Amino acid sequence: NAGVMQNPRHLVRRRGQEARLRCSPMKGHSHVYWYRQLPEEGLKFMVYLQKENIIDESGMPKERFSAEFPKEGPSILRIQQVVRGDSAAYFCASSPSSGPSTDTQYFGPGTRLTVL
Amino acid sequence: GQQLNQSPQSMFIQEGEDVSMNCTSSSIFNTWLWYKQDPGEGPVLLIALYKAGELTSNGRLTAQFGITRKDSFLNISASIPSDVGIYFCAGLRTSGTYKYIFGTGTRLKVLA
Repeated sequence: NAGVMQNPRHLVRRRGQEARLRCSPMKGHSHVYWYRQLPEEGLKFMVYLQKENIIDESGMPKERFSAEFPKEGPSILRIQQVVRGDSAAYFCASSPSSGPSTDTQYFGPGTRLTVL
Repeated sequence: GQQLNQSPQSMFIQEGEDVSMNCTSSSIFNTWLWYKQDPGEGPVLLIALYKAGELTSNGRLTAQFGITRKDSFLNISASIPSDVGIYFCAGLRTSGTYKYIFGTGTRLKVLA
């Protein structure tokens, strides 16, 4: 059973470009979470999605950032018109939709975004 | 956003020593999770605790769900160099759509 997959692992963008980060949850998981981590800091929650629904986006910046989890395919975190302050590691996590461990999140390896 | 009080923030220990770290909160949690993050990698789940008072082991790691449901402890016995990393706790609140609260991390460095 493959774990949470994220791609690309590293992404370099120039200021003003768009960044698209992809996350494929573990098989059987329908809950996806996105986090941001700055160097030497903890994990900051951004958004919680289920298939075709945004459940909680309270940690998402109001502008330039969006997320989706379509019926088919990976979850996408999209950052428009990137700025240097968007440089960070972005982690995706997933959890099962049923069973005794529905609350347990499993993380992907992350995408490290560098904005030049 | 709200975060758990995780301590210590960092620690240097000698190889072979035992390590203890904890997370505390003023809120009650239903679940406690402990993760380890290696440099350049994502957090890896170490132990999940689902019941107050529960004591669970995973190899040299032992974690406990505090009886008050407001704290959790992680112990590492006989530390080895590969234990180096950042350890995060996460608590699951009893209400709200997004329920996870993460600790700020304990940075562990092991001296050979």
